Amino acid sequence: GENVEQHPSTLSVQEGDSAVIKCTYSDSASNYFPWYKQELGKRPQLIIDIRSNVGEKKDQRIAVTLNKTAKHFSLHITETQPEDSAVYFCAARFLQGGSEKLVFGKGTKLTVNP
Amino acid sequence: DTEVTQTPKHLVMGMTNKKSLKCEQHMGHRAMYWYKQKAKKPPELMFVYSYEKLSINESVPSRFSPECPNSSLLNLHLHALQPEDSALYLCASSRRGASGGETQYFGPGTRLLVL
Repeated sequence: GENVEQHPSTLSVQEGDSAVIKCTYSDSASNYFPWYKQELGKRPQLIIDIRSNVGEKKDQRIAVTLNKTAKHFSLHITETQPEDSAVYFCAARFLQGGSEKLVFGKGTKLTVNP
Repeated sequence: DTEVTQTPKHLVMGMTNKKSLKCEQHMGHRAMYWYKQKAKKPPELMFVYSYEKLSINESVPSRFSPECPNSSLLNLHLHALQPEDSALYLCASSRRGASGGETQYFGPGTRLLVL
């Protein structure tokens, strides 16, 4: 079935440290993996995404890595800042009836302590 | 315009009421989505419209009725809801419905409370 597992559910780091969030997905045909950041009371905002034809993508302090063989992808945030505190959701694209859908992981609540 | 907008921001309704949620985008996107999000949970897909046609219904109860009048608008009609339907309802859009993975952009959501 369509499943995305995300770990850890909560993560607390000191400002300046790195944070890593990991996800696995069930369907080897999935080829698109976005990461969303959701602050309290706000909409999910795309922070980075990766397609299956690349293994790694970076955008300033944020990077995502993808291991298609293991069906595993990870979000890396370096030099964390208090404003990085939020809930982060990974997602994987699945095809259903000719349309695409995103299935989300359960989320990781990241707290960056000053 | 690079935003998805939703109205109303908040809605309180009784179990016998009929109300509608509205979503609008002017990015030329041809796929639009309704999600339901409960507190501390991920967005849960309800419906997908692709080129104004309903393409995915995730076995949503009939008290939720989606409508896509044109490529920019998406409505969700609500009738005889239950208290457990209280949640944040998010709309999203993406360029195309079925391709190599298109970014979904979310609206701010409608926070619904059913009494």
